[in-house]
Amino acid sequence: EAGVAQSPRYKIIEKRQSVAFWCNPISGHATLYWYQQILGQGPKLLIQFQNNGVVDDSQLPKDRFSAERLKGVDSTLKIQPAKLEDSAVYLCASRPFGLAVSSYNEQFFGPGTRLTVL
Amino acid sequence: AQSVSQHNHHVILSEAASLELGCNYSYGGTVNLFWYVQYPGQHLQLLLKYFSGDPLVKGIKGFEAEFIKSKFSFNLRKPSVQWSDTAEYFCAVMGNTGKLIFGQGTTLQVKP
Repeated sequence: EAGVAQSPRYKIIEKRQSVAFWCNPISGHATLYWYQQILGQGPKLLIQFQNNGVVDDSQLPKDRFSAERLKGVDSTLKIQPAKLEDSAVYLCASRPFGLAVSSYNEQFFGPGTRLTVL
Repeated sequence: AQSVSQHNHHVILSEAASLELGCNYSYGGTVNLFWYVQYPGQHLQLLLKYFSGDPLVKGIKGFEAEFIKSKFSFNLRKPSVQWSDTAEYFCAVMGNTGKLIFGQGTTLQVKP
């Protein structure tokens, strides 16, 4: 089974520039997550999709971050304009089933995109 | 609000030493608990998980964890660490929203 794919793996931009990340979850996984992992910290959830709908975006800085999952499959996360504090690894994860607590609650993570903002 | 606290930020051990990493969580309802590992240059991988039943769960590579509900704890253990266990370890909790909350991580360095 192929894992969660992310691209690019690395990105270096200057502040105030825009950047986009792409994620392709495991086939058939209904739930998709974007996390931000700042160096020395645990991943922090930015946004959670259930199919193509947003379930939770309470920690997404909506003035500069946006995300979409138009067809309920792959997803893009955009930052516009980027700030120095956005330097982090952006992780995508997917999970097979819906929101209910169940034995299928494991999330599978992609390799991440390391963003450096200069 | 859900939160996860990992007791140790940086642990240094010699090979064959025993390991215990502390994790406490704050959540009032039914939880699923996880330990993830991130080896240098690699992505997050699941070590073990607790959903229900036996509170002592065994994971990959000889790791185990014990869920103590009364203490809101889910500590990770390994009887004898190897140099290849050098990595960052994250405890995480998931409630009924499907949202994972991670601790800040513990960096384990094993000296050969």
